[in-house]
Amino acid sequence: DVKVTQSSRYLVKRTGEKVFLECVQDMDHENMFWYRQDPGLGLRLIYFSYDVKMKEKGDIPEGYSVSREKKERFSLILESASTNQTSMYLCASSLEGPVAKNIQYFGAGTRLSVL
Amino acid sequence: AQSVTQLDSQVPVFEEAPVELRCNYSSSVSVYLFWYVQYPNQGLQLLLKYLSGSTLVKGINGFEAEFNKSQTSFHLRKPSVHISDTAEYFCAVSHNTDKLIFGTGTRLQVFP
Repeated sequence: DVKVTQSSRYLVKRTGEKVFLECVQDMDHENMFWYRQDPGLGLRLIYFSYDVKMKEKGDIPEGYSVSREKKERFSLILESASTNQTSMYLCASSLEGPVAKNIQYFGAGTRLSVL
Repeated sequence: AQSVTQLDSQVPVFEEAPVELRCNYSSSVSVYLFWYVQYPNQGLQLLLKYLSGSTLVKGINGFEAEFNKSQTSFHLRKPSVHISDTAEYFCAVSHNTDKLIFGTGTRLQVFP
């Protein structure tokens, strides 16, 4: 079974703080993704990575950055957290190859509150 | 640009009743279609997918979906739901791009 683990289930931070969300997958997947989930908006792609040290912007990259130093780990960074970044963050991974066709496996999510 | 529309934000239904969750997409070219389910306090998991071939796709937990190219729809159906089917369901579409486009989700609430 593929396992995608997000380090924190709940996180509370103050505005202006630097925030790190960590994600680890154990199936040697090449592709990894960070999504944001908001009620009424569904999932929106923030960033994705198709290889170590490679990254591509998704639909809403503003205010976020990512890091992928090892294949199994993909970190989402909020350089200076703001209240409008309060959300559920989902990490996913998939096999090498066309993202369009491959199944994505999701972590349980990190619910971030920025106060 | 591709888009996905899930017209129903919430669908209440009694146990053992049939259910249909609607999904329409906008694309003039061939697409790949997915339904994912999110149970409470969990991440998303794949229910079923359509890549090519038969337009009727069967998934896990007794769900199925039919790809209708002329109506650009991919509705999800189950003939008899259980309490355990209570969850949020997301339709997603992709073309030959690097991303999935998700719909806004439909919350299925099954009552005893």
